[in-house]
Amino acid sequence: EVQVLESGGGLVQPGGSLRLSCAASGFTFSSYAVSWVRQAPGKGLEWVSAISGSGGGTYYADSVKGRFTISRDNSKNTLYLQMNSLRGEDTALYYCAKQVGALVFYYMDVWGKGTTVTVSS
Amino acid sequence: QSALTQPASVSGSPGQSITISCTGTSSDVGGYNSVSWYQHLPGKAPKLMIYDVSNRPSGVSDRFSGSKSGNTASLTISGLQAEDEADYYCSSYTSSSTWVFGGGTKLTVL
Repeated sequence: EVQVLESGGGLVQPGGSLRLSCAASGFTFSSYAVSWVRQAPGKGLEWVSAISGSGGGTYYADSVKGRFTISRDNSKNTLYLQMNSLRGEDTALYYCAKQVGALVFYYMDVWGKGTTVTVSS
Repeated sequence: QSALTQPASVSGSPGQSITISCTGTSSDVGGYNSVSWYQHLPGKAPKLMIYDVSNRPSGVSDRFSGSKSGNTASLTISGLQAEDEADYYCSSYTSSSTWVFGGGTKLTVL
């Protein structure tokens, strides 16, 4: 079964850092791009970042550019999101979403249940 | 990277049809056939309902259909059922090599 499972969320102070992980199983991880998508409390879905299957292409929403870094370790079937200089508006449920091809323009077909990030003092 | 525009809510009675619109620009919805729709229930992972404007993944009911005209995409649900009550989001690839989602539409089955 194709699955992605997020972890690493938690409570962090404004200005702090956190690293999220997404463990993939049931498919050839390196053949697929993956995205991070978040949902703030009471708000809609917001695309955050994507990375190509090889890891050679990375893309970010303007709201996180320069603060967040997406990466992947294809030998460990794991996606990461390093979040620095966190702000209150980064508080959200963060989803990992597999895309249907190696490049980021393919749509997202399989999502995890998310991991919660709370930025508060 | 402005969010795509969706109505905040729609409603319908069982058996009826409803349509949810998703309006963007020529840099996203209008420029690509990369529009997808997701059903989202609280506490659950979003579920892909439509991809590439009008294609249904295996296992999704044929009561769900998608279309696009210009900068506006639409999701139609026919033969509305109680189990369809959920939040629905559209998304589109953009000319900036990013993705953008709509604000979401809450569907209520009366």
